[in-house]
Amino acid sequence: LAKTTQPISMDSYEGQEVNITCSHNNIATNDYITWYQQFPSQGPRFIIQGYKTKVTNEVASLFIPADRKSSTLSLPRVSLSDTAVYYCLVGGSGSARQLTFGSGTQLTVLP
Amino acid sequence: DTAVSQTPKYLVTQMGNDKSIKCEQNLGHDTMYWYKQDSKKFLKIMFSYNNKELIINETVPNRFSPKSPDKAHLNLHINSLELGDSAVYFCASSPRNTFANTGELFFGEGSRLTVL
Repeated sequence: LAKTTQPISMDSYEGQEVNITCSHNNIATNDYITWYQQFPSQGPRFIIQGYKTKVTNEVASLFIPADRKSSTLSLPRVSLSDTAVYYCLVGGSGSARQLTFGSGTQLTVLP
Repeated sequence: DTAVSQTPKYLVTQMGNDKSIKCEQNLGHDTMYWYKQDSKKFLKIMFSYNNKELIINETVPNRFSPKSPDKAHLNLHINSLELGDSAVYFCASSPRNTFANTGELFFGEGSRLTVL
């Protein structure tokens, strides 16, 4: 069962690039890595998903090394509105517990 | 239109009461879920239904009973409410059975339950 570990909190300033790393040492062959963003009083929102190497979309990039034991969510040029909790979710091998999110990383963007 | 909608958004009730939270999705998805988010922000899966059939039931007290009248609706009924049931409950849906094939989860805005 791929347990995930993320930093509890991070601070950044507007305009900077932010990298949030998630460790998942026991990731299984069939597991995908998915990142979600949650604002206060809202449900989590899908950001990006990947299996290996690099994935990029209009809001973020996801870097996954060859051993897949970690992943890094990269947010380019953050703004105040990117202040949120970011969750890493690893799953796909068929365990229901993989659908449980960890405590996430509270990102605070400062002016 | 809201893709995944839950009602009520806030619910305050006394211990021992029975309450329900309703969820509807208009995305045409086959799979729906209930999650519980505690004060430490952990989002723990409770139940999942695929095409009205229960496929996930994670160590949840049997006071919690989900009901799926059709694949667009998944309601949560809670009997004999306890103080520890206070949390935010999120409904979610996905286009396929994420239990076996991780995909994107679409969440509702949550229902904050406070038990006094």
